[in-house]
Parts: sequence; C-alpha cells; structure tokens
Amino acid sequence: GDSVTQMEGPVTLSEEAFLTINCTYTATGYPSLFWYVQYPGEGLQLLLKATKADDKGSNKGFEATYRKETTSFHLEKGSVQVSDSAVYFCALSELQAGTALIFGKGTTLSVSS
Amino acid sequence: NAGVTQTPKFQVLKTGQSMTLQCAQDMNHNSMYWYRQDPGMGLRLIYYSASEGTTDKGEVPNGYNVSRLNKREFSLRLESAAPSQTSVYFCASSPVTGNTIYFGEGSWLTVV
Repeated sequence: GDSVTQMEGPVTLSEEAFLTINCTYTATGYPSLFWYVQYPGEGLQLLLKATKADDKGSNKGFEATYRKETTSFHLEKGSVQVSDSAVYFCALSELQAGTALIFGKGTTLSVSS
Repeated sequence: NAGVTQTPKFQVLKTGQSMTLQCAQDMNHNSMYWYRQDPGMGLRLIYYSASEGTTDKGEVPNGYNVSRLNKREFSLRLESAAPSQTSVYFCASSPVTGNTIYFGEGSWLTVV
C-alpha cells in the first residue's frame, strides 16, 4: 500500500540556517503530495502541496518539488526563523482513488536564536 | 472563521467508560475524518466518511465507532475506553476524499 517516509528528528538549527527535511513516498498511482505543519498545542495546517510531477509548492519561504523519478518531496527553506519551530508532516493522497491522506511520522524542528 | 470544531478539548476517562467526541465543520465539505496522533507514530486514520451516509474504516478502527450525523457533523465514540486509547484525536474535513484536508484543534484524551 501507499506510504510516506520522512527523516527522523529532532532537527536542531540556528536561526538563518538552511533547512532540508527529506520525504520519500511509495504509491501505486499518481498521488498528490503535501507538507503540513503543527505548532505546539495546535492542529495541523497545510503548508504547501503539489499535485503532479515537477510541480513546486511554496509558502512562507518554504518550498518542495514533486520528483517522480526519485519519489521524493523534500521540504526546504533558505533561512529558518525561531518561529518556524514546529513539527512538519509529509503526506500523500490519491484523489482519483478517493483515498484519505496518509501521513509520515513527523519531523520536529527546533530553531534557536 | 470556525472551520472544524471539535469537543471536548480535554477529557480524562476511567478504563471501561464510554464517551463521544463531537466534530462539526462549516465549510460544506463532503468528506470528514478522525485521526489519532501518538508520539513517534505520526497521524493514523481511524475512520472516515467520504460523504453523508457513508463511513469506512481506516488504519486503526478497533475500539471505535463513528456516526456521520449529517453533512456537518461526524462523531467518534469509544464504547469501552482502554489505556491504549490515550491519545490526541483530530477531526478533519475536505471537499472530497483525497483533497487537501483541514484539521480541528485536537482533543486530548487520557484513559486511566
């Protein structure tokens, strides 16, 4: 079945450092890919998404490119801020198959000033 | 902007007690979901409802029941709570199944 694997954390960075969180997926069809973010004590919020190969999703300085050849959707940000400290989840769904989103286990990011 | 609203936010139960988590969305979405979040496990789907009148099992349905009361409301019931059901529960909705989903703020449940 479909699955998502993302790098384990925690990831600890200094402010203004470059961020990469790796995400790879396994899917039988043509999935849509998502990154969600969860701030402490809150629910998950959509950060960005991509619906087909080579699409780049971007939001709030974060970006991720849908790479079908490597089945990857890595999250990147050029300069992190303390306010980016959160848990990041990679997820996929297959809209045509009508499947609910499948999530990775989450990566905790901690940014210090 | 209410979005997805779930109640209660916090609950402590004794083993064997029953309770219902309530969820309502005001976005006119067709699909609704219940996930649980546990440390190191990410989010796991308990049940979902693709449309009013239908429900389907997810990855971890044992010990739970759901009711899609109408298009807005989707409740999750624990008939006989167990300590293994201590978790954070999230309700979510989407226009259709597989599309972007929108989460509630979570319900923290402890079973002692």
